[in-house]
Amino acid sequence: QSALTQPASVSGSPGQSITISCTGSSRDVGGYKYVSWYQQYPGKAPKLIIYDVIDRPAGVSNRFSGSKSGNTASLTISGLQAEDEADYYCSSYTNSDSVLFGGGTKVTV
Amino acid sequence: EVQLVESGGGLVQPGGSLRLSCAASGFMFSDHVMSWVRQAPGKGLEWVSTISDNGGSTFYADFVKGRFTISRDNSKNTLSLQMSSLRADDAAVYYCAKDLKTIDAFDMWGQGTTVTVSS
Repeated sequence: QSALTQPASVSGSPGQSITISCTGSSRDVGGYKYVSWYQQYPGKAPKLIIYDVIDRPAGVSNRFSGSKSGNTASLTISGLQAEDEADYYCSSYTNSDSVLFGGGTKVTV
Repeated sequence: EVQLVESGGGLVQPGGSLRLSCAASGFMFSDHVMSWVRQAPGKGLEWVSTISDNGGSTFYADFVKGRFTISRDNSKNTLSLQMSSLRADDAAVYYCAKDLKTIDAFDMWGQGTTVTVSS
């Protein structure tokens, strides 16, 4: 299976909102509510910021929000801050009992 | 402190084998599904394998099926990944990760261990 499709890069100014898309198929993103998003700084392990499409783990800023429409999931970062500059990855459970990640999106503030 | 610590990475020749380990602490290891996720240099994340809480069910990415074996020892709070027939494109940082529920989201990650495949 091919990776989920994410834009390679997204940029925004401090205070703005940006949205990162994650496109799959009915076999993954469109077929299940198990879409997650991760934030990764260079040289560090990823951190879960959204799970089950829209839920945030405890301690994650409410500036991060998730949504899904059809085969495309989205991560929105509102009130963009310098600390949000990182790589972001989506992932989805698939109909073959596996997990598929997106190619990653570099966010520049 | 809740922690996952990987070990066992290193340099291996193409066709060789390597065993990765992940020591878990600070949570009830035996209650949780566990996974391995890898990241090649400069590339994105790639799911490798998942094992159920009791070890009775295992799942593998197509590109490692028949070459990698995931296992766990709940008495020692340890997750393992036995890798064989290693190829150059298996070179990556391998992360141990705790699943939130089943094969869905990974809510805790180790710091990673680096596997280099080269002659």
